[in-house]
Amino acid sequence: GAGVSQSPRYKVAKRGQDVALRCDPISGHVSLFWYQQALGQGPEFLTYFQNEAQLDKSGLPSDRFFAERPEGSVSTLKIQRTQQEDSAVYLCASSLEAQNNSPLHFGNGTRLTVT
Amino acid sequence: GDSVTQMEGPVTLSEEAFLTINCTYTATGYPSLFWYVQYPGEGLQLLLKATKADDKGSNKGFEATYRKETTSFHLEKGSVQVSDSAVYFCALSDAGNNRKLIWGLGTSLAVNP
Repeated sequence: GAGVSQSPRYKVAKRGQDVALRCDPISGHVSLFWYQQALGQGPEFLTYFQNEAQLDKSGLPSDRFFAERPEGSVSTLKIQRTQQEDSAVYLCASSLEAQNNSPLHFGNGTRLTVT
Repeated sequence: GDSVTQMEGPVTLSEEAFLTINCTYTATGYPSLFWYVQYPGEGLQLLLKATKADDKGSNKGFEATYRKETTSFHLEKGSVQVSDSAVYFCALSDAGNNRKLIWGLGTSLAVNP
């Protein structure tokens, strides 16, 4: 597609449920990032993939968060046993190249609300 | 650790007014600096960037100069338009890990006709 696509756009989950958020990066983009943006805050880094390899997962807030990109294109962010503090917009971004400062292209995000 | 501080919003201006959104940073190395913009209902977009001291990034009439001596990267535009209404984020990527952006809280701008 023309840009980074994320689905669903909105997700409401009851506390304790598992959720899966999908990111379709721009075709051919090597790098993929997940960020978490709480209301009124800037994005916070979660994890980074270069092709299928997860090179940095230092921002994942707990072991309930898991991300994968098995074929080096589509990525899924999974949150197990959701908690209210997980409510946020989850942003996916991709870039064409792996080197520094290759421009990031962001999706519109998935807004997760945990009730 | 590294951090970014932006002026708080919301900022409300009349069309054709001059805009400044302040951004200062703290970093141990030599970061790259960015301004991103988020228009209503859309994803974040890179507005401009600067990768070393004294560089000036510019795009769509916006400018920002990388000032190492004041650790600042203030965003300016000489004459704003209604279509510039958006949330603006200042961000840095540190020299040791350029793939991980550190963001300010964002500044909301509303331009009235």
